[in-house]
Formats: sequence, structure tokens, C-alpha cells
Amino acid sequence: QQQVKQSPQSLIVQKGGISIINCAYENTAFDYFPWYQQFPGKGPALLIAIRPDVSEKKEGRFTISFNKSAKQFSLHIMDSQPGDSATYFCASYLSGTYKYIFGTGTRLKVLA
Amino acid sequence: ETGVTQSPTHLIKTRGQQVTLRCSSQSGHNTVSWYQQALGQGPQFIFQYYREEENGRGNFPPRFSGLQFPNYSSELNVNALELDDSALYLCASSFRTQGTGELFFGEGSRLTVL
Repeated sequence: QQQVKQSPQSLIVQKGGISIINCAYENTAFDYFPWYQQFPGKGPALLIAIRPDVSEKKEGRFTISFNKSAKQFSLHIMDSQPGDSATYFCASYLSGTYKYIFGTGTRLKVLA
Repeated sequence: ETGVTQSPTHLIKTRGQQVTLRCSSQSGHNTVSWYQQALGQGPQFIFQYYREEENGRGNFPPRFSGLQFPNYSSELNVNALELDDSALYLCASSFRTQGTGELFFGEGSRLTVL
């Protein structure tokens, strides 16, 4: 019940295209869902996050869509740029447990 | 404002040895979490320290231990190293609030066990 399943494992997108990464969780008690971006040799950095009381959150070119009934959430990167090439991790957090459960990551490559 | 810093950045040990990894938390943060990231995988929660006490642990054996100091810096100790301990060890600091505390990660310490 603590798993977060992420897909696809890797993604190649043309510059200007839309990148979509999906995650599914099992524990309905999770109450915070962040996405992290990690460049090679760096630690993960928070990109955008959502709580289950909203269905969508947008920050610039990045949007999270959240489907509570399906226990799924996704990251959309609009107008993808070569600088977006990185590994993206979804995560789930249950207040009071003090730990984040991360997905296995999606390696995104945006072609110039 | 300084971010999370970790040392050493890379190290090589042999099976059975012990290792200590260090982390300085971001200014103003009072909580430190440690994560293990195996190659090609997402970070796995090891434990968290708040007020110098461990208060939350993942599925890691007791040979993984830690400390938090009064200045909120932290150490991760791993005894009796095994080949599977080879990974990137990430430290993340946050400010404990009633809700979630955004995690700020360091760049990690890459441990290779031969």
C-alpha cells in the first residue's frame, strides 16, 4: 500500500512538444503529491506539488493533473525545452509519517 | 542562505567496512532526512531526525544509524557494509511544521562498496 508506480521509464520529446509523466498510488491517505526534478550529479529539486483537494495546479509550463478517484496524478510539461532534459520523480507523502515515497523516475530527453 | 551540503561527494569502501556520511542542513531548517538512491531508482527513505532524535525510519536494518547535532547537522553511519549498499546517499533538510515540510536535497554522497 506504500508503493508509487511511475511511467514511462524514459521519454523522448521534440522541442516544443508536450511531455507527460504518470504516477499511481495505492494508499488513499496520502495527502501531498510533489514532483521532483533531478539533473545528473545533483540532488532532486522540488518542481511543483499538489494536494488532493484540487484537481489541477499550474506553474508556468508545468501542470499537475490529479485524479483522486483513480488514485493517479500526472505531470505535463508544455513547450518542452532541451533544458528540461532530466530525471523526474513523483512522490507521495502521508502527514505524520515524515517520509516521502518516491516513484522509480522518468528520464526525459528533449531533442533540440 | 547556504543550501544543503554533503561530504564526502564520492567514496569507495570494501565489504565489511564502516562509513560515515555528513550533512549540513540549510539555514533555518530543523529537520534532516536521509534517503538512499540506487542507480536508476527513486530515493528510498532511511530515517529522519528532529530535535536530535530519530523519529521515523524506513525499511533499513539497524546497521544504518544516524545522529543529529545541536546545529541541526547530521551524520549517517553504515556498519558492516554490503555490496548492495552501493548507492547515492541523499540528505534533505526541511522545517518541521504541522503540515508537510518541503525537502531540500543536497547533491549526495556516492558510495561504492567493493
